Amino acid sequence: QVQLQESGPGLVKPSGTLSLTCDVSGGSISSSYWWSWVRQTPGKGLEWIGEIYHSGSINYNPSLKSRVTISVDKSKNQFSLRLSSVTAADTAVYYCAREFDYNYFDFWGQGTLVTVSS
Amino acid sequence: QSVLTQPPSVSGAPGQRVTISCTGSSSNIGADYDVHWYQQFPGAAPKLLIYVNSNRPSGVPDRFSAYKSGTSASLDITGLQAEDEADYYCQSYDSSLSGLKLFGGGTKLTVL
Repeated sequence: QVQLQESGPGLVKPSGTLSLTCDVSGGSISSSYWWSWVRQTPGKGLEWIGEIYHSGSINYNPSLKSRVTISVDKSKNQFSLRLSSVTAADTAVYYCAREFDYNYFDFWGQGTLVTVSS
Repeated sequence: QSVLTQPPSVSGAPGQRVTISCTGSSSNIGADYDVHWYQQFPGAAPKLLIYVNSNRPSGVPDRFSAYKSGTSASLDITGLQAEDEADYYCQSYDSSLSGLKLFGGGTKLTVL
C-alpha cells in the first residue's frame, strides 16, 4: 500500500518561499503514476496546484504557474513543491497525492498546515 | 467560485436518501471528462469515494453511487448513516485555462 508523507516548515514569512517535500513509501515514484500537490485553505475547498511525472513532465495550475515549481528526486523517492512570493492567501493545508491513470487521486498524504505570517 | 458547482450543504435523516450535484460546463464534464468523488472528514485528508463516474473503490459501501449526464454529475447516498456526515467533493478535468484538474467547492452533508 502506497503511503505519502508531507514535510516542511509550518510557518513562512510573507514574500518568502514555501517549500514542502512528499516522501513516497510502499511504491516507486518511478512507476507509471503522476504525483500531485493539492491545497485546502481554511474552511474552503480543494485547489489543485500541479503535478509531475518521474520523467520530469510537469503541469501547473495556470492561476499559480508563475510562482510554483514542482520537482522529483527519484533517488530519494520523493517529490517537492516550491511556492514563491507567498501571501496570507497561501495559508492552507497542503496535500501530496498520487494520481491514477492521470485522472483521479487514489492515495493522499495526511496533509501539512502551512501558515504565512510575519 | 469553483468551475464545478456543488450545493454548499445538504441534509437528511438516518435511512433517507440524499443527492449531491456537481454542475460543470462544456470544457469539463460536458466534454466527457470523467468525474470522481471524494469524502473528507474534519481534520483528515480526502478519501477517494467514486472514480471514473460510477465506480466504487474496494471497501466503499454500495450505499454510495454516482452518475454523470451532460454537463453534470451526481452522488447518491442511500440508507443515510450518522457516519456519512462529512464533506464531499467532485473532481474532473478541464480543457480550458481554468486549470487541468478541478475540484468542486464541496458539499457539507449533515445527518439530522
